[in-house]
Amino acid sequence: QQQVKQSPQSLIVQKGGISIINCAYENTAFDYFPWYQQFPGKGPALLIAIRPDVSEKKEGRFTISFNKSAKQFSLHIMDSQPGDSATYFCAARMNSGYSTLTFGKGTMLLVSP
Amino acid sequence: ETGVTQTPRHLVMGMTNKKSLKCEQHLGHNAMYWYKQSAKKPLELMFVYSLEERVENNSVPSRFSPECPNSSHLFLHLHTLQPEDSALYLCASSQVGGQVGLRTGELFFGEGSRLTVL
Repeated sequence: QQQVKQSPQSLIVQKGGISIINCAYENTAFDYFPWYQQFPGKGPALLIAIRPDVSEKKEGRFTISFNKSAKQFSLHIMDSQPGDSATYFCAARMNSGYSTLTFGKGTMLLVSP
Repeated sequence: ETGVTQTPRHLVMGMTNKKSLKCEQHLGHNAMYWYKQSAKKPLELMFVYSLEERVENNSVPSRFSPECPNSSHLFLHLHTLQPEDSALYLCASSQVGGQVGLRTGELFFGEGSRLTVL
């Protein structure tokens, strides 16, 4: 099963609040879990990534929490800012020579001023 | 020029037209990809070229024909498309092989070509 399920589809958060986006996967062969951020009119760009041997990865205001037994991972954006308003995609990849990422459907985040 | 550039940014074509999308990467990567992005659907991988050899073709209709003349250039040739093919087509590149790290295999995307089929 290649699917990666992402929720919610859209999210509105007040400035300074915490944004949380969740993803779940089925294939235990996945070994790399990135999050991509896409602004309107731009291509997706890697935001943060994690491998399943750790439960949490933090980079600035962005944190990935990973639950291997539940096959779930989530993105937390602390102190959300209007500039964080974008579409966020989770993804998963099996170890291969090239990056055949399986993407979630995306979450459109709006941070209100 | 830096990163991944795609041309044209916007394209409108009739169902009987033949057109091509172009992608160029200036990152020295050795793998290139075409993705299709439709509203409310996951990004769909269409084709992968690794070391200039097509290594993946995800059941894409033959009306889409990729070409990778070298490691820096990728084309998507379009002919007799259908209205449901209207979407954003994203090109990406990555580096295959080398030291493994968290950013290994990171995809670098272009800004996409918005295709409308009438």
